Amino acid sequence: QKEVEQDPGPLSVPEGAIVSLNCTYSNSAFQYFMWYRQYSRKGPELLMYTYSSGNKEDGRFTAQVDKSSKYISLFIRDSQPSDSATYLCAMSAGNTGNQFYFGTGTSLTVIP
Amino acid sequence: SQTIHQWPATLVQPVGSPLSLECTVEGTSNPNLYWYRQAAGRGLQLLFYSVGIGQISSEVPQNLSASRPQDRQFILSSKKLLLSDSGFYLCAWSRDRRTDTQYFGPGTRLTVL
Repeated sequence: QKEVEQDPGPLSVPEGAIVSLNCTYSNSAFQYFMWYRQYSRKGPELLMYTYSSGNKEDGRFTAQVDKSSKYISLFIRDSQPSDSATYLCAMSAGNTGNQFYFGTGTSLTVIP
Repeated sequence: SQTIHQWPATLVQPVGSPLSLECTVEGTSNPNLYWYRQAAGRGLQLLFYSVGIGQISSEVPQNLSASRPQDRQFILSSKKLLLSDSGFYLCAWSRDRRTDTQYFGPGTRLTVL
């Protein structure tokens, strides 16, 4: 079983829709959770960073962590064509290990 | 603010040729540095990380090597490229390799022919 599972999509939505992107994980020790946005042929850029469970909101983006279900989500409200990208989740246990574990990414297209 | 640079942006090399990719970070000191390879549909594969000058840890056995000659410089090398080395190479940095998030450079797209 992979440490992090992420549906690769592709996901296609009309402009203005609410988008839900999700990752599941198997390691209950994960405490730090991140979402990255990656445009084609570019490096990933950090969108959201959360610690432990709960919600975090930043503009049109909301990150949600449910540690009891080992499930994290990224919601995008009022989606825009500029949101079209691949979204990667990442997580870390924050212990002596070095590893950040990344999902394989979900490809999102927002249609004008 | 911190900035991370990678060059070249794209590279086409013949099989068996050497490789040198460079990454530099500005605006911070003693960063943790990482090299990743990203293949389509396979996510990010950690190749090397470094917590300080001359300190390199390898995550995946392969014909690649890494060096950190200066605090904010990280180099990925190969003596002889293989076809399977083609991919998108990303350098990243973080303040704390356990708890802090990683910030990525723009990447180098390598094609080995």
